[in-house]
Amino acid sequence: AQKVTQAQTEISVVEKEDVTLDCVYETRDTTYYLFWYKQPPSGELVFLIRRNSFDEQNEISGRYSWNFQKSTSSFNFTITASQVVDSAVYFCALIFFGAGSYQLTFGKGTKLSVIP
Amino acid sequence: GAVVSQHPSWVICKSGTSVKIECRSLDFQATTMFWYRQFPKQSLMLMATSNEGSKATYEQGVEKDKFLINHASLTLSTLTVTSAHPEDSSFYICSANSQGAVTEAFFGQGTRLTVV
Repeated sequence: AQKVTQAQTEISVVEKEDVTLDCVYETRDTTYYLFWYKQPPSGELVFLIRRNSFDEQNEISGRYSWNFQKSTSSFNFTITASQVVDSAVYFCALIFFGAGSYQLTFGKGTKLSVIP
Repeated sequence: GAVVSQHPSWVICKSGTSVKIECRSLDFQATTMFWYRQFPKQSLMLMATSNEGSKATYEQGVEKDKFLINHASLTLSTLTVTSAHPEDSSFYICSANSQGAVTEAFFGQGTRLTVV
């Protein structure tokens, strides 16, 4: 079965602190894709990153960085020098291929509050 | 990135009436569209997968006679909540994939449905 676990339900940090959001996944497939999405209070889902299962290189984009570890089935997301605008719910998700179809499975999300 | 437009953004309807939500891919052809439902403070739950020109595939526990999905063209899928009741109040989000990018999901802005 495919599963995405975000153990942190809510996190609060003070502005300018670094914060890491955890994501652990389960899949039997060797080919899969991992995603992070941001959902601000307005509700729309903002795509942040996609990573395929064959690319374990970590990625940095501005204040955002992602650490993909296949050995521990984790795909953690770090925000450096957090800002109030980072306050949102963040979802980790997994696309898997099975029986000719593909689906996006979401974790339960982590609500991040950045306090000024 | 590709744009998916969802309409309306919010709707309030009386119990017993039907509501139609539209999901359009504006600049690409979406062979597959997905409909999700999100309750407050919860994750996105896949309701159904819709392929153009064929019947939608519903997830277990989703009433197909209540949530009618039509994917009549490569740029439009509709979700109709029939005989809506207060427990149908939720945030509904669609996503779309194109033929050339099945691993990229582009999300609509979401529709907040309130049934009174």
